[in-house]
Amino acid sequence: DTEVTQTPKHLVMGMTNKKSLKCEQHMGHRAMYWYKQKAKKPPELMFVYSYEKLSINESVPSRFSPECPNSSLLNLHLHALQPEDSALYLCASSQDSLRHLKYEQYFGPGTRLTVT
Amino acid sequence: EDKVVQSPLSLVVHEGDTVTLNCSYEVTNFRSLLWYKQEKKAPTFLFMLTSSGIEKKSGRLSSILDKKELFSILNITATQTGDSAIYLCAKETSGSRLTFGEGTQLTVNP
Repeated sequence: DTEVTQTPKHLVMGMTNKKSLKCEQHMGHRAMYWYKQKAKKPPELMFVYSYEKLSINESVPSRFSPECPNSSLLNLHLHALQPEDSALYLCASSQDSLRHLKYEQYFGPGTRLTVT
Repeated sequence: EDKVVQSPLSLVVHEGDTVTLNCSYEVTNFRSLLWYKQEKKAPTFLFMLTSSGIEKKSGRLSSILDKKELFSILNITATQTGDSAIYLCAKETSGSRLTFGEGTQLTVNP
């Protein structure tokens, strides 16, 4: 099983709303990632969690708040977003991120977010 | 800097053709080079390359890394319409950061 699942598939939210994106994997991976992908652009790393601890925050605005409740789950809490935050948000997981990346990252199908 | 440059940005071929996609990268903090295929949604993993000169193969796809010249190529032989996708090259650096190139949009016409 090499599946990473994400919910919801699509999300439309207003600028004053609070919503959450969810990601789940049952591959026993200990590293999980959030990426943002704008149309016709490559994915850009936002956050990395390693062993349920935040290890990388790529200077992401505080209106994006990640959370890793356990090794299988990763959330991204959204509050007071801007229209320019509309994008495909991809979650990924891999075996280990503490040392050299020996294992590839598996991506989920993404959540298509539209901020109105 | 973690710049990754892919070429061509777009490629249109006919079924049965062989294609070569290119990826060059900056040497800083290099750990590995990865290739992904992205169709409608999630990028799907193709190859991870860490050693120079060792070709990796999977069916009609193959890839090789040149750490001296700082580039990688992805070859697809006997292309099929199902190969149509964006092919992304990514450089892995410290902390498992992946920096992606802009991608090559491959279109295979019947």
